[in-house]
Amino acid sequence: DAGVTQSPTHLIKTRGQQVTLRCSPKSGHDTVSWYQQALGQGPQFIFQYYEEEERQRGNFPDRFSGHQFPNYSSELNVNALLLGDSALYLCASSLGDRGPATEAFFGQGTRLTVV
Amino acid sequence: AQSVTQPDIHITVSEGASLELRCNYSYGATPYLFWYVQSPGQGLQLLLKYFSGDTLVQGIKGFEAEFKRSQSSFNLRKPSVHWSDAAEYFCAVGDLYNFNKFYFGSGTKLNVKP
Repeated sequence: DAGVTQSPTHLIKTRGQQVTLRCSPKSGHDTVSWYQQALGQGPQFIFQYYEEEERQRGNFPDRFSGHQFPNYSSELNVNALLLGDSALYLCASSLGDRGPATEAFFGQGTRLTVV
Repeated sequence: AQSVTQPDIHITVSEGASLELRCNYSYGATPYLFWYVQSPGQGLQLLLKYFSGDTLVQGIKGFEAEFKRSQSSFNLRKPSVHWSDAAEYFCAVGDLYNFNKFYFGSGTKLNVKP
């Protein structure tokens, strides 16, 4: 089992550009959540996808959007990049609707640097 | 809204010494509590979790945590630290309505002296 895989591992973009990050969940998992971890901070919830629908969204602007595919993999898109978007972006996969016993598995993250 | 506070940004302990990392949560109901570890350049690995029952929970790598409702705390402990424990540790609380959503503290970075 490959666990949660994210690509790319590192990315450098210029302000104003757009970026797409990808996540493949752990085998059998149907729920994907995205988190932003700024330097020196804990992860902040961006949004969550379940059955190809955005299930819940955190306090992030509309520049942040996502998608989940039928195979449960997911993309995070960020438009009009700002310097403040520089962070480690983490993907977490889990089984939806399994109650509090659900365990989330995190990928290694994508380090995005905006210059 | 749920929130988590980790009051210690950095902690340094000697190898073989005991460790306690503090975590306080703000939540009205019985919380779902977690400790994660993050090594440099890595994602988050679950150390242990608390949902209900025995307030002392055992995790991987010799870690344990104790839930104290009266103090709104969930401190992480290890009796004897190894150099490989150097990492950043995050306390998290699960969302009441969305079990797949977590609120994280800002983390405690652990350094281990030889």
